[in-house]
Amino acid sequence: QVQLVESGGGVVQPGRSLRLSCAASGFTFSSYGMHWVRQAPGKGLEWVAVIWYDGSNKYYADSVKGRFTISRDNSKNTLYLQMNSLRAEDTAVYYCTLGNGMDVWGQGTTVTVSS
Amino acid sequence: DIVMTQTPLSSPVTLGQPASISCRSSQSLVHSDGNTYLSWLQQRPGQPPRLLIYKISNRFSGVPDRFSGSGAGTDFTLKISRVEAEDVGVYYCMQATQFPPTFGQGTKVEIK
Repeated sequence: QVQLVESGGGVVQPGRSLRLSCAASGFTFSSYGMHWVRQAPGKGLEWVAVIWYDGSNKYYADSVKGRFTISRDNSKNTLYLQMNSLRAEDTAVYYCTLGNGMDVWGQGTTVTVSS
Repeated sequence: DIVMTQTPLSSPVTLGQPASISCRSSQSLVHSDGNTYLSWLQQRPGQPPRLLIYKISNRFSGVPDRFSGSGAGTDFTLKISRVEAEDVGVYYCMQATQFPPTFGQGTKVEIK
């Protein structure tokens, strides 16, 4: 079955970096665009970034542009989110989701930015 | 960005009774390809979001038929014909017609 498993979250100080991963299985990963969406504690959903199926195009929310980088390794069926210059307001659960319709979501990984 | 506005923000319902959630977009969600990319997501307590409905009215795989979606243009509705205990959670509408994708604030469905 289709499965997305995020990892790499943790507690990090402001200004530091973190890299999230999303391992995909059960579908042809290289055929689908992928998104990262985040959810701050007690809040709603916020789209973060998208990458085309072949990595040719990448787009970001204004709130993370210049600090976060989305990438993928289709040979490893894995999606990444490199997060630099982290801020307290980046504290959230980060989800990877499949396809433009966000058909399937992972369980999420928690990022806490705190000194 | 397209703003998605949901009403109500909270919906206490009796088990077995219907529930309805509205979602209004700040612009038409009709894409140039003729499709309307309006989806509904369910997030049960402590769980990730799950796709229920896509392109206004299409139920995703495994979604019970008590869930239905309708609407057009800028006004959309999610209906639960008979609420069950497992339907408790927060429901979000989402548009993917125009970049970036945006979500409604969420509607909390709870049992009276």
